[in-house]
Amino acid sequence: DQQVKQNSPSLSVQEGRISILNCDYTNSMFDYFLWYKKYPAEGPTFLISISSIKDKNEDGRFTVFLNKSAKHLSLHIVPSQPGDSAVYFCAANRHNQGGKLIFGQGTELSVKP
Amino acid sequence: KAGVTQTPRYLIKTRGQQVTLSCSPISGHRSVSWYQQTPGQGLQFLFEYFSETQRNKGNFPGRFSGRQFSNSRSEMNVSTLELGDSALYLCASSWVAGENTGELFFGEGSRLTVL
Repeated sequence: DQQVKQNSPSLSVQEGRISILNCDYTNSMFDYFLWYKKYPAEGPTFLISISSIKDKNEDGRFTVFLNKSAKHLSLHIVPSQPGDSAVYFCAANRHNQGGKLIFGQGTELSVKP
Repeated sequence: KAGVTQTPRYLIKTRGQQVTLSCSPISGHRSVSWYQQTPGQGLQFLFEYFSETQRNKGNFPGRFSGRQFSNSRSEMNVSTLELGDSALYLCASSWVAGENTGELFFGEGSRLTVL
């Protein structure tokens, strides 16, 4: 049962343009949603999160939008830079589940100069 | 501040053997979680330890086990290795468990190959 899904395995964007990564979930009990970024041969690093009581959270070039009715969230990167090229994982968590994150399959973003 | 440290980084085992992986969390972090990453299944939660107690467990067979020591360091063990256990095993730490928002700090992982 895939509770968190990232349906696009890859995305290619031109430098300076917007990158939009999407994520769908099925469990309405999730309290937090997070995005992690992973470079090859490194562990994932936390990027940005959003609580289920909000619909938007912004941090610099990164904005996460949450649509609870559609059980959908997206990560916007504006402007995209070549250093953003990595695999992006969407994850979800319940507040009483601590370090138990449910991850999507990941989307590999390639930002071309 | 040192990050999460995992050892060994790479190892090769044969079917039927057992393996122990080690994780040292960030200083002051008391929660340690383990994840398995494979190309087909993505990142899957194995278990979480807090104050030497297992708090959460994923859907893995009993061959996968773990423990946490009083200094918060953690080990995971896989017995009777199978080919399908070949994966990147990631350890992550955080300040506390229970009310965590999910922000975890990951190590670089231990790459296990089972032949």
